[in-house]
Amino acid sequence: SQQGEEDPQALSIQEGENATMNCSYKTSINNLQWYRQNSGRGLVHLILIRSNEREKHSGRLRVTLDTSKKSSSLLITASRAADTASYFCAVTGGFKTIFGAGTRLFVKA
Amino acid sequence: NAGVTQTPKFQVLKTGQSMTLQCAQDMNHEYMSWYRQDPGMGLRLIHYSVGAGITDQGEVPNGYNVSRSTTEDFPLRLLSAAPSQTSVYFCASSPTKGVLPGELFFGEGSRLTVL
Repeated sequence: SQQGEEDPQALSIQEGENATMNCSYKTSINNLQWYRQNSGRGLVHLILIRSNEREKHSGRLRVTLDTSKKSSSLLITASRAADTASYFCAVTGGFKTIFGAGTRLFVKA
Repeated sequence: NAGVTQTPKFQVLKTGQSMTLQCAQDMNHEYMSWYRQDPGMGLRLIHYSVGAGITDQGEVPNGYNVSRSTTEDFPLRLLSAAPSQTSVYFCASSPTKGVLPGELFFGEGSRLTVL
């Protein structure tokens, strides 16, 4: 399986701190994406990084991709209470986008 | 724009019943897919479609059928519901970049309980 696997499973931080989540996968990919899910809601796309890219930024988000290690990280800087959610990495290989189990982030005000 | 619309939002079935979860998108996306999400877990791919008339299996296709007669619609059929199919089902679509899917746009989900 090319499934992404996130680490840690859960993360609790204070408002203003940075949050880092990691994702590992097993096979070659076309792109890697990060999604956010608020409790009971649909997933919202955050950022997509292609297999030939190493780093990408979007607002307070920074994503890195290391294809030699088959891993990615998502950094959320200056976190806010509103960032409390589950975050999922998803890897696309061919026509399939496969999700990991997610990291639950709790940001304390 | 409505985006991706799923119906119904909630459904309770008895074991052995069949039903169809509807999914429609108004973004003219070629790629559509169905996922299920069990409590505390990520999404698992059931079936996907790269365009009208073309469907294929994902990670967990058993017990489900799909068809894609139009670009807009991608219904998911449960043939004979089982308690193991109790889950939240998400439909997603994507504007394909050339051939491959990119960013997925999700519906709000359909919560299915099988008794």
